[in-house]
Amino acid sequence: SQKIEQNSEALNIQEGKTATLTCNYTNYSPAYLQWYRQDPGRGPVFLLLIRENEKEKRKERLKVTFDTTLKQSLFHITASQPADSATYLCALDYSGGYQKVTFGTGTKLQVIP
Amino acid sequence: NAGVMQNPRHLVRRRGQEARLRCSPMKGHSHVYWYRQLPEEGLKFMVYLQKENIIDESGMPKERFSAEFPKEGPSILRIQQVVRGDSAAYFCASSPSGQEGTEAFFGQGTRLTVV
Repeated sequence: SQKIEQNSEALNIQEGKTATLTCNYTNYSPAYLQWYRQDPGRGPVFLLLIRENEKEKRKERLKVTFDTTLKQSLFHITASQPADSATYLCALDYSGGYQKVTFGTGTKLQVIP
Repeated sequence: NAGVMQNPRHLVRRRGQEARLRCSPMKGHSHVYWYRQLPEEGLKFMVYLQKENIIDESGMPKERFSAEFPKEGPSILRIQQVVRGDSAAYFCASSPSGQEGTEAFFGQGTRLTVV
């Protein structure tokens, strides 16, 4: 079965630096890869989606890359702020038809002022 | 435009009781998904519904669990004869269409505790 690996350890980073989170997967590549943010006690919030034929996607301070050869996606937050502290989830979309995604366990990011 | 509304936010049930979780999708959304999040685990897909139809229930346990999305009213996830292992956060998401790559909007979740 598909396995998704995200940094299990929490990531601590100084305010203003770039945070880089990793998502690795096994088996075949998904049609889409999504990144979500989840705060404690809340539901996930969609951030970015990247298609398998796209190498990179940007949105404001966020950047996602998708390397189907390495079976890896990197999620970058530039000029990080304490408000960026949250758990970030990688999700793989294989359905090709609807939002049936497989989530990773997430990486907890802590931005230190 | 209110987001996805789930209720109750917290639900405590004794073993053997029934749990009913409700989800009202965003206005204009006719596609609903249910996910379960166990402690220290990722969200797991349970079921995908459109109005009055179950499209994909491959992630839902065969026994005791059922879901519906009637023509009128919220989507309901029903768990009969709950057991301790059912304790988890249950999230509902909705999307305006079932097209590939469509963004889904999640509710705040219902935290079920079975005592």
